[in-house]
Amino acid sequence: DIVMTQSPLSLPVTPGEPASISCRSSQSLLNTNGYTYLHWFLQKPGRSPQLLIYLGSYRASGVPDRFSGSGSATDFTLKISRVEAEDVGVYFCMQNLQTPWTFGQGTKVEIK
Amino acid sequence: EVQLVQSGAEVKKPGESLRISCKGSGYIFTNYWITWVRQMPGKGLEWMGRIDPTDSDTNYSPSFQGHVTMSTDKSISTAYLQWRSLKASDTAVYYCARHSYREEGAYHMDVWGKGTTVTVSS
Repeated sequence: DIVMTQSPLSLPVTPGEPASISCRSSQSLLNTNGYTYLHWFLQKPGRSPQLLIYLGSYRASGVPDRFSGSGSATDFTLKISRVEAEDVGVYFCMQNLQTPWTFGQGTKVEIK
Repeated sequence: EVQLVQSGAEVKKPGESLRISCKGSGYIFTNYWITWVRQMPGKGLEWMGRIDPTDSDTNYSPSFQGHVTMSTDKSISTAYLQWRSLKASDTAVYYCARHSYREEGAYHMDVWGKGTTVTVSS
């Protein structure tokens, strides 16, 4: 199985400041079609997960442009340019290049 | 509006059977896979498998193969997840999610249901 490792697992943030979460995969997530099968989700408290970034760097519909995804092969980063209070929750990365699809452990983002 | 509406919370005893549902609306149901994801209390997300409503082709995670069954009824745009014999360790929230696959630039879960809470306790 492809292992997804996120860091940090807990991230206290200050509103208005940038924040970044790392996700590493145990194998390359680059498909032969040129797309990277890595996605980012946010699960706000008491809610179901919502898609933020798909295929490594594509922002999902309705997602604010302060969120961005980057990286390649096995190292990926989710960046929030200026954190807002509504961004609190648990962020998960996920790969669907190879079954079983696997998630990272989650990074809990809280306001300082 | 694209939605996945999941059935309500369930409380069951060990050994009982259960089927939960996920109804899609606002889109062509057969154009997307349905995936199921488990979240045990206070834990992360686990992919259980996916089903293609077009032909009911399934792909299960080995962790869940043989313990759950995924199915769909495309005539009513509904996917199901069922257990024949529940265990206490099945206590969790179960999410369904729509997964695109027909285009190379779209291969991801983009819409999620609100989740069904399953509690298994004697």
